[in-house]
Amino acid sequence: GDSVTQMEGPVTLSEEAFLTINCTYTATGYPSLFWYVQYPGEGLQLLLKATKADDKGSNKGFEATYRKETTSFHLEKGSVQVSDSAVYFCALSDRDYGQNFVFGPGTRLSVLP
Amino acid sequence: NAGVTQTPKFRVLKTGQSMTLLCAQDMNHEYMYWYRQDPGMGLRLIHYSVGEGTTAKGEVPDGYNVSRLKKQNFLLGLESAAPSQTSVYFCASRLERAQRYNEQFFGPGTRLTVL
Repeated sequence: GDSVTQMEGPVTLSEEAFLTINCTYTATGYPSLFWYVQYPGEGLQLLLKATKADDKGSNKGFEATYRKETTSFHLEKGSVQVSDSAVYFCALSDRDYGQNFVFGPGTRLSVLP
Repeated sequence: NAGVTQTPKFRVLKTGQSMTLLCAQDMNHEYMYWYRQDPGMGLRLIHYSVGEGTTAKGEVPDGYNVSRLKKQNFLLGLESAAPSQTSVYFCASRLERAQRYNEQFFGPGTRLTVL
């Protein structure tokens, strides 16, 4: 079945450091890929998405490129801020019906001033 | 446009009590979902609905029931609460058309404690 694997957390960085959170997936079809962010005490918010190979999603300084050859969708940001401290979830959707949304386990990021 | 709303935000129950969590969305979405989130375990799907009057089981349905009598509402019921159901519950909705390209929209969550 479909699955999403993310790097183990927590990840702790200093402010202005470079961020990479790895995400790889297994899917039978041609999935769309998503990154969600969950700030403390809140629900999940869509951060960015990509719907086909080689697409790059971007938002709020975050970027991720859909790499079909390596089945990856790694999240990157050039300079993190304290306000980026949150849990990040990678997810995929590969069918137009039924229960077809799969989340990764989440990676907690803490950014220190 | 309120998006996805959940009621209540917090609740404390005693073992054996019952309650209903309400999820409402104003985006005319066909699909709705209930998840639970426990520390270190990410999101787990409880039940979902592909349209008014339909429901289906997810990954962890035991101990929960759901109903989708109106398109905009999705109710999650606990008939006899157990401490293992202490969790944060999230509702989400999604547009049906061209589903694989569309994201889920999440509510703010309900924090439930069962004593």
